[in-house]
Amino acid sequence: KAGVTQTPRYLIKTRGQQVTLSCSPISGHRSVSWYQQTPGQGLQFLFEYFSETQRNKGNFPGRFSGRQFSNSRSEMNVSTLELGDSALYLCASSLVPANTGELFFGEGSRLTVL
Amino acid sequence: DAKTTQPNSMESNEEEPVHLPCNHSTISGTDYIHWYRQLPSQGPEYVIHGLTSNVNNRMASLAIAEDRKSSTLILHRATLRDAAVYYCILRDLRGGSNYKLTFGKGTLLTVNP
Repeated sequence: KAGVTQTPRYLIKTRGQQVTLSCSPISGHRSVSWYQQTPGQGLQFLFEYFSETQRNKGNFPGRFSGRQFSNSRSEMNVSTLELGDSALYLCASSLVPANTGELFFGEGSRLTVL
Repeated sequence: DAKTTQPNSMESNEEEPVHLPCNHSTISGTDYIHWYRQLPSQGPEYVIHGLTSNVNNRMASLAIAEDRKSSTLILHRATLRDAAVYYCILRDLRGGSNYKLTFGKGTLLTVNP
């Protein structure tokens, strides 16, 4: 079956702009969780959505937000971009809530902020 | 959530066994030990998980210390395709919404031909 799909794969933005990233989970999976990966901090949890509800949120500022649609597709948005937001953004889908089920990751969206 | 500690990097030779350690001294009784790995230019993928007993699957073996304060991921015969970053994380499978799924920096495994 098709895996987790993230779009776009690469994008370049400038400081102050906003960006929206999309994640299509594996069919039937109801959980989508988002992560930020940087060389300095490693892979850090942003938030999780399960059945259109945010279940949990990591330690990121309010500029980072997300939502999930009724078909389980999820989007994350970063407003007022800063240079430090340059990172690989990964999403993972799971059949059950992310903290209990096996996670299936996409290949990520690489964001560069200039 | 309980924290894990892994070496930043390890090196191995092809076709030799590799033992990747992970310390989790504050593990709770309901925490499962999970391992994921991230191949270059890919998202992480599940490797193995366990609670108390040693576990084997087609990818690897997981050896868990008797006091559960440490564990070791064992790749029996490393191949060049095993070169990746390996993450050890603890997950409380009781559920609930107060959790942190942080993978940290993991161990970068280099496999020499």
